[in-house]
Amino acid sequence: GENVEQHPSTLSVQEGDSAVIKCTYSDSASNYFPWYKQELGKRPQLIIDIRSNVGEKKDQRIAVTLNKTAKHFSLHITETQPEDSAVYFCAASTGANSKLTFGKGITLSVRP
Amino acid sequence: NAGVTQTPKFQVLKTGQSMTLQCAQDMNHNSMYWYRQDPGMGLRLIYYSASEGTTDKGEVPNGYNVSRLNKREFSLRLESAAPSQTSVYFCASSEGLRSNQPQHFGDGTRLSIL
Repeated sequence: GENVEQHPSTLSVQEGDSAVIKCTYSDSASNYFPWYKQELGKRPQLIIDIRSNVGEKKDQRIAVTLNKTAKHFSLHITETQPEDSAVYFCAASTGANSKLTFGKGITLSVRP
Repeated sequence: NAGVTQTPKFQVLKTGQSMTLQCAQDMNHNSMYWYRQDPGMGLRLIYYSASEGTTDKGEVPNGYNVSRLNKREFSLRLESAAPSQTSVYFCASSEGLRSNQPQHFGDGTRLSIL
């Protein structure tokens, strides 16, 4: 089955700096890659997703890039703010039943 | 529009007790999912229902059963709770008719087994 790994497990940045979170996946048939943000004690919320026919997608301060050859995708957050502090999960899906395999999450801390 | 609603929000059980976690969605979604979240383990799929009338095992199904009661509701049952099932349980739903549609999560149920 699919295996999704996230690196690093924790990341601390200064407010205003950029943050990059990387994920790798194992199943070359995976074609959908969402990112979820989870604040402490809250539900995971979708922040951006990308499909395999696209190499990059942007939404304001957030962007995701996909390298199908290397089987990795990354979340880029620019001009980080304290409210960006949360756990971020990447996931991958082959499309069947929209079933997702999640990475273990990365804790992002933005220092004021 | 409430989205995905889970009940209860918190529960404490004794080892060996049984209980059912409830989940309902009002987005007319076809697919529903149950996950457990443990520290450092991410979200692991327990069971899912691709459409009304079908259920399938996920990554960690042992010790659980599910029922897709109708299109809106998908319940998770612990027949004989064990301390290893202490976790936060999330229900999610997605459109399901087309592949690769986003999953929307409920607020979770925090379950402690003593």
